[in-house]
Amino acid sequence: SYELTQPPSVSVSPGQTARITCSGDALPKQYAYWYQQKPGQAPVLVIYKDSERPSGIPERFSGSSSGTTVTLTISGVQAEDEADYYCQSADSSGTYEVVFGGGTKLTVL
Amino acid sequence: QVQLQESGPGLVKPSETLSLTCAVSGYSISSGYYWGWIRQPPGKGLEWIGSIYHSGSTYYNPSLKSRVTISVDTSKNQFSLKLSSVTAADTAVYYCARQDRATGPAPICYFDYWGQGTLVTVSS
Repeated sequence: SYELTQPPSVSVSPGQTARITCSGDALPKQYAYWYQQKPGQAPVLVIYKDSERPSGIPERFSGSSSGTTVTLTISGVQAEDEADYYCQSADSSGTYEVVFGGGTKLTVL
Repeated sequence: QVQLQESGPGLVKPSETLSLTCAVSGYSISSGYYWGWIRQPPGKGLEWIGSIYHSGSTYYNPSLKSRVTISVDTSKNQFSLKLSSVTAADTAVYYCARQDRATGPAPICYFDYWGQGTLVTVSS
C-alpha cells in the first residue's frame, strides 16, 4: 500500500524556522495536506492543496512541493507551535485511498 | 459553524462489533461533502478508516475493508461506523470528520472539520 514518510522529530528554538518534510511517490500527482495535533485534541488542518492556508491559520505556516517531497515550513516558531504534525494525501492508482504520514513531533526548545 | 460529535460505547469486547455515530450540526449532510472516520491508537499516528457521501457511496481503507461498514442517515443528519470482529489492536481514539473530496484532473481529499474524538477500548 501507498506510504508517506515523515521524520519522527524536529527541534527548533523559538523564533527560528522549522521545516517538516513528507515524501511519497504519488505526491507529484496528488495534493498534500498538513494537520497540527496538540495533546488530547483533534487534528487541525493548517495547509491544504500543498500550499494554501485555511482561514484562521497564522501566516507563519506555509507549504511547498518539489517532486516527491512536500514541506511544511513554520517561520518564527512560537512555543504554541509545539505539536505533532501529520501530512496526508491519496494514492494515485484511482482508488483515492487516503493516507497519512507517520507524524512528526515538533519540539520548541 | 460545522460541528461533529462522536458517540458510542467506550468499551467493546473482543470479537464483537464496534459501533459509533457522528452527529453533524451547522451543516446538512445532504448538501454535499464526504464524511469520514479516522482513528488513532494511543501514542500512535492517524489511520483513515473510510468515508461516505450523502448518497451512500462509500470508500474504505483496503486494510480494514472486510470489517468496516459506514452508513449515513440524512434524516438525522448523522453517519455511523461499524467495525466487526474487533481485537485489542482496534483500541483507539475514533474521530469523525468532514471531507472535501473531488476526483478528476485535480483531485482533492482533505478533512476540514473534525469531532473531538472518542476513545474505544477493546477488552474483556
